[in-house]
Amino acid sequence: GESVGLHLPTLSVQEGDNSIINCAYSNSASDYFIWYKQESGKGPQFIIDIRSNMDKRQGQRVTVLLNKTVKHLSLQIAATQPGDSAVYFCAENQGNEKLTFGTGTRLTIIP
Amino acid sequence: GAGVSQSPSNKVTEKGKDVELRCDPISGHTALYWYRQSLGQGLEFLIYFQGNSAPDKSGLPSDRFSAERTGGSVSTLTIQRTQQEDSAVYLCASSLGRAPYNEQFFGPGTRLTVL
Repeated sequence: GESVGLHLPTLSVQEGDNSIINCAYSNSASDYFIWYKQESGKGPQFIIDIRSNMDKRQGQRVTVLLNKTVKHLSLQIAATQPGDSAVYFCAENQGNEKLTFGTGTRLTIIP
Repeated sequence: GAGVSQSPSNKVTEKGKDVELRCDPISGHTALYWYRQSLGQGLEFLIYFQGNSAPDKSGLPSDRFSAERTGGSVSTLTIQRTQQEDSAVYLCASSLGRAPYNEQFFGPGTRLTVL
């Protein structure tokens, strides 16, 4: 079946540096993508989304890049802070009500 | 305002017992979702309610799983004759309108452990 996967399960970044979390998807019909942040003991929290008619979208300290040619999604976090330590999930949607989630990348910010 | 709440936060049960997990969505949200998150895994879609429409049960893993939503608000996920592989965190989310373009707000989850 179709799946969303992540290249790296863990990532450690020095505080203040930028981080990049990658995600590969396999369903070319996916037209909407979301990044979620999940802190320990909490439910996932929406960070940023992007539709397939875009290749870049920026938020506050976060940027999502979409490369439909290679079915790749990335989340860039600028000037990382200790509060950015969490598990980050990408999710894809094919225009229905269901989201397909990847397995997640654990980001650790080193003080 | 209040977010999505779930109860209990933790549930330990013996294999073969039935469990009920509760979700209180954000007031006014018409859509409600249940997901399952196994250790170190992403979220697995279970079931989706939208208003008064028939729920989308396509993600329920077996007929031991069922869910209902009373009065378009509170939802209960029931697992009958629990098995050890049912151990996971069960997450509920609600959104103001039909997914996916309406943001889903997640509750903190119920951690279920089946001994």
